[in-house]
Parts: sequence; C-alpha cells; structure tokens
Amino acid sequence: AQTVTQSQPEMSVQEAETVTLSCTYDTSESDYYLFWYKQPPSRQMILVIRQEAYKQQNATENRFSVNFQKAAKSFSLKISDSQLGDAAMYFCAYRSAEGAQKLVFGQGTRLTINP
Amino acid sequence: DTGVSQNPRHKITKRGQNVTFRCDPISEHNRLYWYRQTLGQGPEFLTYFQNEAQLEKSRLLSDRFSAERPKGSFSTLEIQRTEQGDSAMYLCASSLTTGNQPQHFGDGTRLSIL
Repeated sequence: AQTVTQSQPEMSVQEAETVTLSCTYDTSESDYYLFWYKQPPSRQMILVIRQEAYKQQNATENRFSVNFQKAAKSFSLKISDSQLGDAAMYFCAYRSAEGAQKLVFGQGTRLTINP
Repeated sequence: DTGVSQNPRHKITKRGQNVTFRCDPISEHNRLYWYRQTLGQGPEFLTYFQNEAQLEKSRLLSDRFSAERPKGSFSTLEIQRTEQGDSAMYLCASSLTTGNQPQHFGDGTRLSIL
C-alpha cells in the first residue's frame, strides 16, 4: 500500500518570504500522480498544484512550484512571496494512475503567515 | 459549475442514532468519492463510485456504513447505530474519469456524536 509522509506538522513564514513544505511517499508503482491540496480553516479542500510522475519537469502554478524527485520519492511544495491568504493546512496526496484512483493523503502541515 | 455540494454542513446526534449525509457532485463528473477526516489528520478514503456502481470500499467502512449512488448522480452515506468514534468530517469529492483529472471536494459534513 502507498503511504505519504509530511514530517513538518507546523511551519511559519514571514509575509512576502518563501517557504518550502516537505513530502515523501512510498510506492512500488511507476505511474502515478502527486498533488498538493490546501484546506483553509473551516473551508473546503482546494487543489494547489499537481504533478504527473512521468513528467520530469516540475509543475508550477503562479507562486506555487514543486520539486519532484522521483528516485528519492520526494515532492516538496515551494510558496514564493507568501501572502496572508496562504495560511491553511496543506496536504500532500498520492494517486495511482490505475484502479480507483483514490487519494492517499499525508498528515498535513499547518502553515502560518506572519505579517 | 456549482461545485460539489454536501448536506448538512453539521450534524449533531446521540450515540446509537442513524444519520444520513448527501453529496451532489459536479454534474458531468462520473466518479464520486467519500473520505473521512478526523481532527488534525489527512482525509482517509472510504468508498468510491463510478456512475452508479460502488467499485471499492475501504476496510474503514464497517458494516454500519452504507453508501449509495442510485442514479449515478447524487450519493448518500448512511451510518447506523452511531458510535463516538464516528465523530469526524465526512468529505465528498468528484472527478472525471480521464487522465490526471483532479478530485474536487465539497465543504464536508461535520458529524458530532454526543
């Protein structure tokens, strides 16, 4: 079974600075997808960024980018120019390319933005 | 696109009662997922539908839990004889089948067992 580990329960960053959230995963599959989701307090889970395992190029979405290291099974999220609205729980998630394609989530990292 | 809708937002009930939650997915999405999220944890997969067929159930889904998607549109999740340990946020997500389509989540139903 696949597992996802987020080793940082909490992180904080100054507004306008850059922060990196860590994620590692374990799988024997070669084809899969990785995601970062954001969950603001009492609000719904929102997709931040996704990465296909077969693509070597790291995904980027505006201020959000990933560092995908397939051999190391590492998938970190970098947030540049942090904004107050970035404060949330961030979840790393794995999804197989076959079958039910259910998401396997990490434990989450609570990100605080200091003004 | 009105997003994934879940009702009710909150449910408080006494232990031993039955509860039912509803999820309305994004209209063109044929896949529907239920997850459970306890405080401070990531969501855990419960079950999944493709159209009206329930294709996979987690071992977390005890025989007190049942889910349906009768016409391949909305889905219901019922918990019978609720227990304290059932207190959690129940999340619904939907997606298209093809490729790397992401799952879109609803706001969830928070269940509190007294």
